Amino acid sequence: GIQVEQSPPDLILQEGANSTLRCNFSDSVNNLQWFHQNPWGQLINLFYIPSGTKQNGRLSATTVATERYSLLYISSSQTTDSGVYFCAVERGGSEKLVFGKGTKLTVNP
Amino acid sequence: DAGITQSPRHKVTETGTPVTLRCHQTENHRYMYWYRQDPGHGLRLIHYSYGVKDTDKGEVSDGYSVSRSKTEDFLLTLESATSSQTSVYFCAISESVSEQYFGPGTRLTVT
Repeated sequence: GIQVEQSPPDLILQEGANSTLRCNFSDSVNNLQWFHQNPWGQLINLFYIPSGTKQNGRLSATTVATERYSLLYISSSQTTDSGVYFCAVERGGSEKLVFGKGTKLTVNP
Repeated sequence: DAGITQSPRHKVTETGTPVTLRCHQTENHRYMYWYRQDPGHGLRLIHYSYGVKDTDKGEVSDGYSVSRSKTEDFLLTLESATSSQTSVYFCAISESVSEQYFGPGTRLTVT
């Protein structure tokens, strides 16, 4: 099956810093999503981005489908950005999301 | 937020007992999914449904069964719970090949 690798596995930042999270996948996909799991366990949709670039406030994401990777940018990080960020992909026709193991982000005040 | 609820939110049960978790949606979405989340594994798909009475297995389906008799409800059953099924269970919904939206999760402990 398709493999999804996220890096780095852990990231510690000071408030106000910028960061880039990476997601590599092993096959072509027709669905790619980024999620934020907050410290209370809730999974929050950030982006649906099978290709191209999107921005939402301090967060933006870029997927280069032909090179099989996606990047999530967090600018001017805040303590509320802490949690685990997951990338998930769906191969064409499979109707199933496959998740990476996540990047745990800690933003210190 | 998508209208997805899960019940119960927390459950402690003993090894060998049957357990049923419920996912309820108010969005009339076609697809529904059950995942489990364990440390070091991320989220893994257990079963999913692509319509009423239409279900299929996911990556970690052994020991689990599902049923969907109505569009809005998707049930996950552990016929005889084992300690290895201690986990957090998430339900998700989607309309088509598009975004999946997740419920709040159910924390299950099997003693």
